[in-house]
Amino acid sequence: NAGVMQNPRHLVRRRGQEARLRCSPMKGHSHVYWYRQLPEEGLKFMVYLQKENIIDESGMPKERFSAEFPKEGPSILRIQQVVRGDSAAYFCASNRAGGYEQYFGPGTRLTVT
Amino acid sequence: AQTVTQSQPEMSVQEAETVTLSCTYDTSESDYYLFWYKQPPSRQMILVIRQEAYKQQNATENRFSVNFQKAAKSFSLKISDSQLGDAAMYFCAYRADNTDKLIFGTGTRLQVFP
Repeated sequence: NAGVMQNPRHLVRRRGQEARLRCSPMKGHSHVYWYRQLPEEGLKFMVYLQKENIIDESGMPKERFSAEFPKEGPSILRIQQVVRGDSAAYFCASNRAGGYEQYFGPGTRLTVT
Repeated sequence: AQTVTQSQPEMSVQEAETVTLSCTYDTSESDYYLFWYKQPPSRQMILVIRQEAYKQQNATENRFSVNFQKAAKSFSLKISDSQLGDAAMYFCAYRADNTDKLIFGTGTRLQVFP
């Protein structure tokens, strides 16, 4: 039973480029969460999605960041015009409807040069 | 706003000994869940143990147990018979029953010495 998959594991972007991070939830899970971990800090909630719906985006920066979870395919976290401050590890988690535990993927480390 | 505080940035323990990691939280909610996650050098977040606030009995998973003090809003993690593989960052996390997002503490780095 495959766990939460994230790709790429490492992503390097120059300032001003776009970053796309992908997350495939565990089989049977319909809820996806994105968290960001800055160096030497804990994880901070960004957004919670269900298929084709954004449920809670209270942790998302107002500009440049967007997320989607289409009917088919992985969830995508998109960062436009990246800046050095976007350098962080981005984690995806999933659970099934009614579940309260979240299972995490291995994360994507984004480096902005 | 709910907050989670881990006041020990670093802890160390000798192999086979016992260590306790502290966590306190602040909330006005009565129904919530608490978790401890382990993050080894691979950075994979691994769920170690969970506690439902409505349960008075402390959760236990093999060598890992918690001391949940609801009135004091305290949720410490005890690791017994520590092993070298327990070395990692440990994060305490909170989730209110009426929301889905996890709120994490800043973590405690645990070193295990042979």
